[in-house]
Formats: sequence, C-alpha cells, structure tokens
Amino acid sequence: GAGVSQSPSNKVTEKGKDVELRCDPISGHTALYWYRQSLGQGLEFLIYFQGNSAPDKSGLPSDRFSAERTGGSVSTLTIQRTQQEDSAVYLCASSLTGWSNQPQHFGDGTRLSIL
Amino acid sequence: KNEVEQSPQNLTAQEGEFITINCSYSVGISALHWLQQHPGGGIVSLFMLSSGKKKHGRLIATINIQEKHSSLHITASHPRDSAVYICAVERRADKLIFGTGTRLQVFP
Repeated sequence: GAGVSQSPSNKVTEKGKDVELRCDPISGHTALYWYRQSLGQGLEFLIYFQGNSAPDKSGLPSDRFSAERTGGSVSTLTIQRTQQEDSAVYLCASSLTGWSNQPQHFGDGTRLSIL
Repeated sequence: KNEVEQSPQNLTAQEGEFITINCSYSVGISALHWLQQHPGGGIVSLFMLSSGKKKHGRLIATINIQEKHSSLHITASHPRDSAVYICAVERRADKLIFGTGTRLQVFP
C-alpha cells in the first residue's frame, strides 16, 4: 500500500497476556518509529529503528516492552504480561532516510485495551 | 516543565476566523513539526520547518529559532479544520518530543 499500515487496528486482551503489534512502513523508508498515546495524554516516543537497528531504546517504559524489525521493513512491538496502564493507542511512523528534516508518515494506530 | 508547550489548549472559532496556535520549546532542535490529528485518530504531517515560514493552502507555519517559538496560522477557518493540532520538536535522529496539542473546533 501507499501508506504506513498497522495491525490489528483494535486489540482487547486480558491483563497478564502478551500482545504483538505489527507495523508495515512505507516501502523504501529506512527509519521507523513507535509512539503511544494514552487516553487524554499527549504522544510519547517509544523506540526508533534505522534499518534493523534500534540506536535509541530510551523511550521503552519497562522491560516488558520490546521491539524488533526484520529485513529493514516490518516491525513488531511486543508487550509481555500486559498491565492495565498499557492501554493506549500505539502509533507507528516511518520516514525516508531517518535524517533530520524528513517528514514522518503515521499509520492509523492500534488501539490496545487491557481488561 | 514540559520541553514543548502549546497554547491555547482548547480553541473555538466561527467559520471564517483567522486562527493562531502557538508553540514554545526550551531545548535545541534541528526541526519543528506541526501535525494534525482528526477525531478518528489518524495523524497527518502538516509542516516540517527549521527556519522562516512555510505556506500550504490556508495554513501557514512560522518559526523563530532565536526565540524558540513557532506559530501555526489558519486563514478563513472551516469546520473541517476541527482537529487536534500538535507541535513536535526534533532534537536528534528524528526522535520527536510532542506538545500536548491544541484542540480546535470551528463552528459554522
């Protein structure tokens, strides 16, 4: 497709379960970003990939969160042993080269609800 | 104190009014982004600028690097402009730090 694709669009799961969120960036974009937006809160940076490497993991809120990117394309964000405070919209974005002054293109997000 | 502050938090306007949203930041940046988030949640990049002024249709964005301030202007506002407008600054390697957003409602 032409844009950033995220799946699933909605995910409801029980506390304690693991979840995996997927992001398909725009073809040819080397930089990929994960953000989250909690209810009523602003956007928060989670992690950034340049190719398959994540030089900046400073935003991951705990060791229950991990992310990987394979083939310089698809990325998955995994949350283990989910907690209610993990409920949020998780947004993925990509940019062409990852250098400054490149616009970021956002997906529609995955709305995660932890019961 | 947040590194990126936006004002106002909420803004209502009548169709046709000129609108200004302000963004101030306290850190050195390489670029500033203005984003639009519609009620459905999708985010669109409006502008990315590191100096001066950019215009796209009825939207104008300006930045003053010395004063660490940017403004987003909407001329001849329309109800379809109703959205949350988010300022974000880029410090390094495209990591964005976001403001809390300005919720704009334009009434016919």
